Amino acid sequence: EIVLTQSPGTLSLSPGERATLSCRASQSVDSTYLAWYQQKPGQAPRLLIYGASSRATGIPDRFSGSGSGTDFTLTISRLEPEDFAVYYCQQYGSSPRTFGQGTKVEIK
Amino acid sequence: QVQLVESGGGLVKPGGSLRLSCVASGFTFSDYYMSWIRQAPGKGLEWVSYISSSSSYTNYADSVKGRFTISRDNAKNSLYLQMNSLRAEDTAVYYCARVIAAGGDDYWGQGTLVTVSS
Repeated sequence: EIVLTQSPGTLSLSPGERATLSCRASQSVDSTYLAWYQQKPGQAPRLLIYGASSRATGIPDRFSGSGSGTDFTLTISRLEPEDFAVYYCQQYGSSPRTFGQGTKVEIK
Repeated sequence: QVQLVESGGGLVKPGGSLRLSCVASGFTFSDYYMSWIRQAPGKGLEWVSYISSSSSYTNYADSVKGRFTISRDNAKNSLYLQMNSLRAEDTAVYYCARVIAAGGDDYWGQGTLVTVSS
């Protein structure tokens, strides 16, 4: 099983700042089969990024994904008030699919 | 618009069974793989299972293998999760989600809460 470790656990930033979230895999993720999700309290997760760097439909371009192999990054270029949430990475290149434990982006 | 609506959650005793349903609308259900993903209270996301568009292929997390069965009825635009031998650690909100061709789950339902407790 591929274990995904996200860091930091919590990121305290102000609106307008840049957020950089890390997701490290215990083994290489096949063909960049990595996704990022955003979840707000009481809501279902929302797909942001798939294939490591492709934005899902309707996702603003301030969200970008990068990386390959075992190291992946989600960057939010300028934080908007609605971006404060928990973010999860997920690998779907090998079974079982696994999620990271999440990074909470909170208002400083 | 794409909608996924889960139902069937509730309180069940350890060792009991429950069947979750997810009704899809707004897209051609039979074209897509579908997933179940769960989230224990205050915890992160855990993938549970997925099923291919024609039901020919299924896959399960080790934590539920042999106890849970995923199925679908394309004529009814419905996805199911039969859960047997339930344990306290199965307590969670269960989400159904649509799997896109490039991977990842692009639409999610609102979730249904399953509580396993005596």
